Amino acid sequence: GAVVSQHPSWVICKSGTSVKIECRSLDFQATTMFWYRQFPKQSLMLMATSNEGSKATYEQGVEKDKFLINHASLTLSTLTVTSAHPEDSSFYICSARRGGWETQYFGPGTRLLVL
Amino acid sequence: DQQVKQNSPSLSVQEGRISILNCDYTNSMFDYFLWYKKYPAEGPTFLISISSIKDKNEDGRFTVFLNKSAKHLSLHIVPSQPGDSAVYFCAASGQAGTALIFGKGTTLSVSS
Repeated sequence: GAVVSQHPSWVICKSGTSVKIECRSLDFQATTMFWYRQFPKQSLMLMATSNEGSKATYEQGVEKDKFLINHASLTLSTLTVTSAHPEDSSFYICSARRGGWETQYFGPGTRLLVL
Repeated sequence: DQQVKQNSPSLSVQEGRISILNCDYTNSMFDYFLWYKKYPAEGPTFLISISSIKDKNEDGRFTVFLNKSAKHLSLHIVPSQPGDSAVYFCAASGQAGTALIFGKGTTLSVSS
């Protein structure tokens, strides 16, 4: 199967600090990785699309300076929430795809709580 | 503007019966559709997909039907089992390499 991991699974941080979330495809090379955010009882909202070796493409309304995405290799993408604020508290989920029409496989998610 | 709509936030079904989850979309450029199952505090798990060249795809207890003219798809689960209780998300994409657009999900509860 296609396994995607995320680390950490949950994190609590103080307002103003930065938090890095890792997304790894464990048994396949992901040409494209996606970052989503989910608020309680809401759908998954796409934040950005990242292709290995190139800059991420952010969705409208997502601050690229606040949510830094790095897709350094075909198996790793990171999302850094900079200067976190309580309103950034959410469930962040990544997904990875081998390429083309392949199915997206999701990580288990990271719950962020900013105090 | 929601491009993928799941108008029923919840559905309750008895064990052994059929569960039918519905999804409508507005963007005629969508041509690849997927269903995901999600438990609280976990990432979505892929269930089944269908491309626009088909109108039906079956995998075990799960069948997805696509009606392109109506811009409607549905997921049938038969027979339903208590372990199927979860949130089901419908998702669509327009072309290879593009991201998925998700509906808001339908919470399925299967009682024994």
